[in-house]
Amino acid sequence: GAVVSQHPSRVICKSGTSVKIECRSLDFQATTMFWYRQFPKQSLMLMATSNEGSKATYEQGVEKDKFLINHASLTLSTLTVTSAHPEDSSFYICSAPSRQWNEQFFGPGTRLTVL
Amino acid sequence: GESVGLHLPTLSVQEGDNSIINCAYSNSASDYFIWYKQESGKGPQFIIDIRSNMDKRQGQRVTVLLNKTVKHLSLQIAATQPGDSAVYFCAEMVAGGGNKLTFGTGTQLKVEL
Repeated sequence: GAVVSQHPSRVICKSGTSVKIECRSLDFQATTMFWYRQFPKQSLMLMATSNEGSKATYEQGVEKDKFLINHASLTLSTLTVTSAHPEDSSFYICSAPSRQWNEQFFGPGTRLTVL
Repeated sequence: GESVGLHLPTLSVQEGDNSIINCAYSNSASDYFIWYKQESGKGPQFIIDIRSNMDKRQGQRVTVLLNKTVKHLSLQIAATQPGDSAVYFCAEMVAGGGNKLTFGTGTQLKVEL
């Protein structure tokens, strides 16, 4: 199956700093990618839809100025957590749909810890 | 950041037994459903899917059943193995909804030797 990678796999940062997470589709092009957040022992919650060449679409309750999304190419989307605080500590996962409209491939996730 | 006091439902089975994991979905307009397996610290892994025009689909050692009347989905794993231990999520999608997935709450499957 198709491969989606994320970098870094884990990051620890100080409160108030910004952190960038990359999501890459390695062997296919993705005009759309999705970003999820997952707290311990909870489900995946969709944060936003990343659209290549246009603005991201955010889910209700997700601050677009705090979670900046850039989809600059057909294989790369980035999520930047700005002015991170301890409550932003979570597991961030991206996914990208394949050419088949309903099949999605997930990245391995990025563990963010804000001190 | 972290929510406290929440625990995933847990299903404990003996190795070799069959497992049945259930999921209630919320949107009657959903027409595509997927089961994912998530191991600790990893992203979700596709197991099996089913469209709303079907009520059963079988894969290798896994079967998904869909009951649209009561909006219920189940995953059956035959001859459960230790490697099946993980959290299992159902997810639903609405056609024309921009490929967005809505995940269920998840079930922790523990396989006892």
